[in-house]
Amino acid sequence: AQSVTQPDIHITVSEGASLELRCNYSYGATPYLFWYVQSPGQGLQLLLKYFSGDTLVQGIKGFEAEFKRSQSSFNLRKPSVHWSDAAEYFCAVESRGAQKLVFGQGTRLTINP
Amino acid sequence: DAGITQSPRHKVTETGTPVTLRCHQTENHRYMYWYRQDPGHGLRLIHYSYGVKDTDKGEVSDGYSVSRSKTEDFLLTLESATSSQTSVYFCAISDAGGSSYGYTFGSGTRLTVV
Repeated sequence: AQSVTQPDIHITVSEGASLELRCNYSYGATPYLFWYVQSPGQGLQLLLKYFSGDTLVQGIKGFEAEFKRSQSSFNLRKPSVHWSDAAEYFCAVESRGAQKLVFGQGTRLTINP
Repeated sequence: DAGITQSPRHKVTETGTPVTLRCHQTENHRYMYWYRQDPGHGLRLIHYSYGVKDTDKGEVSDGYSVSRSKTEDFLLTLESATSSQTSVYFCAISDAGGSSYGYTFGSGTRLTVV
């Protein structure tokens, strides 16, 4: 069955440390891939997306993600986190042509000062 | 969010009453979606629309109906609200799904069924 998995429900990192949030998908063909961020009480903001081409994607707020076909993964990274990065992060996929998004369960990020 | 508004933003209703949530867009996008967000489940698709009067079910459609009589409006109705429908509801729009810009989300409606 098609699915999106974010293995980490909650991650805590120190301010200034590097960050990697994991996302794995199970689809027959490479889907479109997205990362969204949700601050408390807010809607979802698109960080970045992958359609095709270069497997390293740059997004907003200093985030990047790397698509690895062999691992069916699309992990989100940031070299140095800021306290304002505390939020919930969602990986989402669209099976090409399906015209609808399927979300992972989300990873809540806490930043220690 | 620019171009997409949800109303109301908050609502408390009693079990068994009908409830309608509204999503309005000014982007003239073809596709509109309703998701619900619950802890541990991420966002799950309830219903979506691919044009005026064209709708289809998502993975959690039981207890919900939708209507789209105009391009700009997509209504979600809970025919008889239950406590299990307490959730945050998000509307989203898209012009061509993932092959284009992608999806834009509204600010959400927090619904509490007591």
